[in-house]
Amino acid sequence: EPEVTQTPSHQVTQMGQEVILRCVPISNHLYFYWYRQILGQKVEFLVSFYNNEISEKSEIFDDQFSVERPDGSNFTLKIRSTKLEDSAMYFCASSGVGAWGDTEAFFGQGTRLTVV
Amino acid sequence: KNQVEQSPQSLIILEGKNCTLQCNYTVSPFSNLRWYKQDTGRGPVSLTIMTFSENTKSNGRYTATLDADTKQSSLHITASQLSDSASYICVVILSGNTPLVFGKGTRLSVIA
Repeated sequence: EPEVTQTPSHQVTQMGQEVILRCVPISNHLYFYWYRQILGQKVEFLVSFYNNEISEKSEIFDDQFSVERPDGSNFTLKIRSTKLEDSAMYFCASSGVGAWGDTEAFFGQGTRLTVV
Repeated sequence: KNQVEQSPQSLIILEGKNCTLQCNYTVSPFSNLRWYKQDTGRGPVSLTIMTFSENTKSNGRYTATLDADTKQSSLHITASQLSDSASYICVVILSGNTPLVFGKGTRLSVIA
């Protein structure tokens, strides 16, 4: 069964360092998303990506964040200068042809980012 | 502001018992509603998707209901199993290709 894969599963970084979280969406999907979940809190939307550009982003997704689809398979989230409050579980998701409304959304297992 | 509220926050039940989780939403315009199961430290996994016109949908031991007039949904779990222990998250989607709006989830613990 196709699945969204994320690497690494856990990343520890020092405050101020740059991190790149990687995701491989399901191969025929066209819509890609990053969400985050701070420990004990709900899942929050960060950004959506379609046709090689950001289609929507939340207030959380400030200038420190960027996304890229450098090749046909990877979808990355970069945090330029990490802060303690960036510590969270980051989930990548993808959806097939068509909008969310009709198609299933698949989430990866997440990357736990710990900023120290 | 689009909101999804779930109750209870947490629930403990004995194995084999049934339970019902509630979700109220104020999201508008509404496209569909989903229930996800999230095991600790894992990504959410979809249980069911309900569109505006659907009232009830079952997936094995899970039955979801939707009342679009009152903007309420419920997830009923029958004959609970230890493996049902997880967070159950109500997620509402606006029309078109817009982000999912997540509730905070109900933490279910099934004990022997």
